[in-house]
Amino acid sequence: AQSVTQLGSHVSVSEGALVLLRCNYSSSVPPYLFWYVQYPNQGLQLLLKYTTGATLVKGINGFEAEFKKSETSFHLTKPSAHMSDAAEYFCAVSGSFGNEKLTFGTGTRLTIIP
Amino acid sequence: DAGVIQSPRHEVTEMGQEVTLRCKPISGHNSLFWYRQTMMRGLELLIYFNNNVPIDDSGMPEDRFSAKMPNASFSTLKIQPSEPRDSAVYFCASSTGGSSTDTQYFGPGTRLTVL
Repeated sequence: AQSVTQLGSHVSVSEGALVLLRCNYSSSVPPYLFWYVQYPNQGLQLLLKYTTGATLVKGINGFEAEFKKSETSFHLTKPSAHMSDAAEYFCAVSGSFGNEKLTFGTGTRLTIIP
Repeated sequence: DAGVIQSPRHEVTEMGQEVTLRCKPISGHNSLFWYRQTMMRGLELLIYFNNNVPIDDSGMPEDRFSAKMPNASFSTLKIQPSEPRDSAVYFCASSTGGSSTDTQYFGPGTRLTVL
């Protein structure tokens, strides 16, 4: 079974400050890891994903995440927060061997303080 | 290009009524997913299809829920009879299909309220 845990259901940062959203995973097989973003009243949109290869993954809107196997983590960061980053962020994991099922975390709501 | 299309966007119904939610995936995508999002349970996968065939329906809560995909461009999620606890936002997503690395593209969702 696979799962992800997102630490902190709400995170507030000041505009221009570092954004750090935490995600830890549990998987019995090499995981594929995803970050999705959900803006109010919209569906989810992919920010970035880790499959194989480089462990530092760059995504859209200046976000990046680093896969750390030793820490079973896949934290999402952005150097400088923008007001438009206010949204809910979901970490998700899928397994290898062709299983397309995604298991999502409970989400982190990011608020940007002007 | 059109993304995933869901209808209706909002549905209000009374307990005991039948509800049908509709989804049109992105053209050329071979996998389709139905999710439910609630405050209490978060985002849950209900069922997914690949090439119109149900692959995993382990998330379907009970026999009141059924999903079909009669062709590559259309899927329905039906609840009969509906109950207040079914109130949620239901998302449909599609992907090119066949790989666990595929990106899933989500529709805007259907907000269901069962009174």
